[in-house]
Amino acid sequence: NAGVTQTPKFRILKIGQSMTLQCTQDMNHNYMYWYRQDPGMGLKLIYYSVGAGITDKGEVPNGYNVSRSTTEDFPLRLELAAPSQTSVYFCASSYPRTGGRNQPQHFGDGTRLSIL
Amino acid sequence: ILNVEQSPQSLHVQEGDSTNFTCSFPSSNFYALHWYRWETAKSPEALFVMTLNGDEKKKGRISATLNTKEGYSYLYIKGSQPEDSATYLCASLDNAGNMLTFGGGTRLMVKP
Repeated sequence: NAGVTQTPKFRILKIGQSMTLQCTQDMNHNYMYWYRQDPGMGLKLIYYSVGAGITDKGEVPNGYNVSRSTTEDFPLRLELAAPSQTSVYFCASSYPRTGGRNQPQHFGDGTRLSIL
Repeated sequence: ILNVEQSPQSLHVQEGDSTNFTCSFPSSNFYALHWYRWETAKSPEALFVMTLNGDEKKKGRISATLNTKEGYSYLYIKGSQPEDSATYLCASLDNAGNMLTFGGGTRLMVKP
């Protein structure tokens, strides 16, 4: 199994451009998450989804949008890139359908995004 | 949003030293406490998920304890090795159960 796969690994954007960060998982997990890593601040939750068709805001959702049309995919969209969105973005998944809530999250390798 | 605090922020130890760090979290509406190990340029990897007061988990030289009544967890590393150098994250899940709130992490550096 590949686990959680994120693409691209690196990207440089100009201010005002838009892009979509892709995330897919092959573990049949219900829940998926997008985090950003801010220096010295650990991980901040942007959006999460508890299943296909259901999404909800996390701590820092402004400037981002998500969709969850399938169990496997959870793309994150930046509509108007701003320098404050320069960060490393991690996608994660958890809660297999046959498991309970006491399950760890599985993380992708991250996308390093710079907005110039 | 929960307030999860970790201390210290960073720690330098010599190879062979044992060390420990703290995670504090709100004790009300507690459901689960996660520990992750995060090496530079890699993704976080789960160490433990703990739910019961007094619980203790062990994985090789790393162990963790949980006190849900007072809202803290300790992570211990016995006989630190250079390969233990990483950031250790804790995260708390409350009864609503949908979002993990992460602490800022403890960055451990083990000198050979």
